[in-house]
Amino acid sequence: KQEVTQIPAALSVPEGENLVLNCSFTDSAIYNLQWFRQDPGKGLTSLLLIQSSQREQTSGRLNASLDKSSGRSTLYIAASQPGDSATYLCAVYTSGTYKYIFGTGTRLKVLA
Amino acid sequence: NAGVTQTPKFQVLKTGQSMTLQCAQDMNHNSMYWYRQDPGMGLRLIYYSASEGTTDKGEVPNGYNVSRLNKREFSLRLESAAPSQTSVYFCASSEGFEPYYGYTFGSGTRLTVV
Repeated sequence: KQEVTQIPAALSVPEGENLVLNCSFTDSAIYNLQWFRQDPGKGLTSLLLIQSSQREQTSGRLNASLDKSSGRSTLYIAASQPGDSATYLCAVYTSGTYKYIFGTGTRLKVLA
Repeated sequence: NAGVTQTPKFQVLKTGQSMTLQCAQDMNHNSMYWYRQDPGMGLRLIYYSASEGTTDKGEVPNGYNVSRLNKREFSLRLESAAPSQTSVYFCASSEGFEPYYGYTFGSGTRLTVV
């Protein structure tokens, strides 16, 4: 059974810092992995989708990497801003299933 | 803006009451999903509809029913609400059921059952 873990659960950093959020999964037979952002009281916004054949995806200041063999993905945020404060969720689509399995998220606070 | 629209945004029910959560998407997506989000547990799939006319159970279907009314709309019904169904409910859609499509989520319905 696929399990997705995100550590740490919460993180506070000063503005301008580069940071890395971690996502690990137990079953490496995945189709893809998706990173989402969730603002308080709001829905999920898709940030990056990495297919199993890809090693990384980039969008603006965000870069997500995928290492299937080790069961890990990282979300790199460059030059963090207070507007980046949110909860970041990763979700994994495992081969032979019909759904994403979500991690419980990392709550990020960027201090001005 | 195109996307997934959920109504209502907030709801308080008494135990035993029934209600229907509505979801509509205007992206011509084929597949739609209902999730619930509880503290410390991540999102869990309740029901999904791979295509118009089909629905299937997810991880936590007990106490819920769904209807894929047409390609745009996918509703979730609680027949007899229980406090354990207090949660935030999210509807999502994807272009197809194949795994290489990402999901688009609605903004959620915050439900409290007292």
